[in-house]
Amino acid sequence: DTGVSQNPRHKITKRGQNVTFRCDPISEHNRLYWYRQTLGQGPEFLTYFQNEAQLEKSRLLSDRFSAERPKGSFSTLEIQRTEQGDSAMYLCASSWWQSNEQFFGPGTRLTVL
Amino acid sequence: GNSVTQMEGPVTLSEEAFLTINCTYTATGYPSLFWYVQYPGEGLQLLLKATKADDKGSNKGFEATYRKETTSFHLEKGSVQVSDSAVYFCALSGVSGSRLTFGEGTQLTVNP
Repeated sequence: DTGVSQNPRHKITKRGQNVTFRCDPISEHNRLYWYRQTLGQGPEFLTYFQNEAQLEKSRLLSDRFSAERPKGSFSTLEIQRTEQGDSAMYLCASSWWQSNEQFFGPGTRLTVL
Repeated sequence: GNSVTQMEGPVTLSEEAFLTINCTYTATGYPSLFWYVQYPGEGLQLLLKATKADDKGSNKGFEATYRKETTSFHLEKGSVQVSDSAVYFCALSGVSGSRLTFGEGTQLTVNP
């Protein structure tokens, strides 16, 4: 079963360091989404791609955050100069462009000390 | 903007009890509505969906009906099991392929 995969599953870093997460979507899906989930809250949208084009970014995505999907397959989310407030679960999802069903990966849990 | 409001949790039930988790939404146009479930230590899984008014989504004994007049999409199950213990999220999307807007989630615990 080739679902959405995310790596790493857990990341602990010190404040001020840069971190990068990877998401591999379901192979035939051309839309890829990033969400952030803090404890006790629902996921919040960050950004999404159709193929390699980044089509929408949330106001939550400050200039310290950058996402790429260079060849329209896997995606990376980088956070520069991490802050304690960045501690959260980062979720990736993918879908076929004609569908409104999004399939989620297991998430990457980031802890900033 | 779009928003989703879920009933406050946590909810604790005994096995075989009836479950209702309330969800109301605010959106322009005709959103699609979803319930996602998150089991302990796992990712979000789509439980059911409805794409237009009066549609009923159903899966694994759970049901929810898209009520445009009351802007609601309440989740129900007639007889819960211990294995249903999880966090349930109501969500909407405005147009096909757009972002999902989630509610805060409702923690359900079912005791034997």
